[in-house]
Amino acid sequence: AQSVTQPDIHITVSEGASLELRCNYSYGATPYLFWYVQSPGQGLQLLLKYFSGDTLVQGIKGFEAEFKRSQSSFNLRKPSVHWSDAAEYFCAVGLYNFNKFYFGSGTKLNVKP
Amino acid sequence: DGGITQSPKYLFRKEGQNVTLSCEQNLNHDAMYWYRQDPGQGLRLIYYSQIVNDFQKGDIAEGYSVSREKKESFPLTVTSAQKNPTAFYLCASSILPSGTNTGELFFGEGSRLTVL
Repeated sequence: AQSVTQPDIHITVSEGASLELRCNYSYGATPYLFWYVQSPGQGLQLLLKYFSGDTLVQGIKGFEAEFKRSQSSFNLRKPSVHWSDAAEYFCAVGLYNFNKFYFGSGTKLNVKP
Repeated sequence: DGGITQSPKYLFRKEGQNVTLSCEQNLNHDAMYWYRQDPGQGLRLIYYSQIVNDFQKGDIAEGYSVSREKKESFPLTVTSAQKNPTAFYLCASSILPSGTNTGELFFGEGSRLTVL
């Protein structure tokens, strides 16, 4: 069965520090991969996406993610975190042969001043 | 501006009542989706639709119903058969993917349903 794993439920980093959020997926082929961000009580906003090509993709708000096929991972990174980055982050997989998207359980990011 | 509008944002329901959540999009997207979000469980797919007058069950369709009479609209009814309906409900839409176009999901702001 397809699955998306975000092993970290909560992460706290200091403002200005670097950030890496982990995501692993289980699927037979390379799916479409996404990272979304959600502020409390709001919908989800797309940060970045990957389908093919360069395995390091750039997104909005200074985020980037790297696809590693050998590890079935798509980790999200940011070199310097801002207080406004505090939110919940979701990794997602798109399976277009079934027109479905599967989401990880999310990682809540807290930012210390 | 194009987008997805969900209403109401907050809804309270007594046990045994059906409620309908509205979702309207003006993005001209073919596909529409309903997800349920519970703390610590991510998003779970309830129903999705790729074209008008056609829809498919997702992973947790029991106790829910949908219709797709217009391309722009995909209302979700939470019936009294849903055992634990208190949750945050998210509507999304996408174009159908083709080539390198990934057809990512665009989300509404969500509707929070509380059963009293």
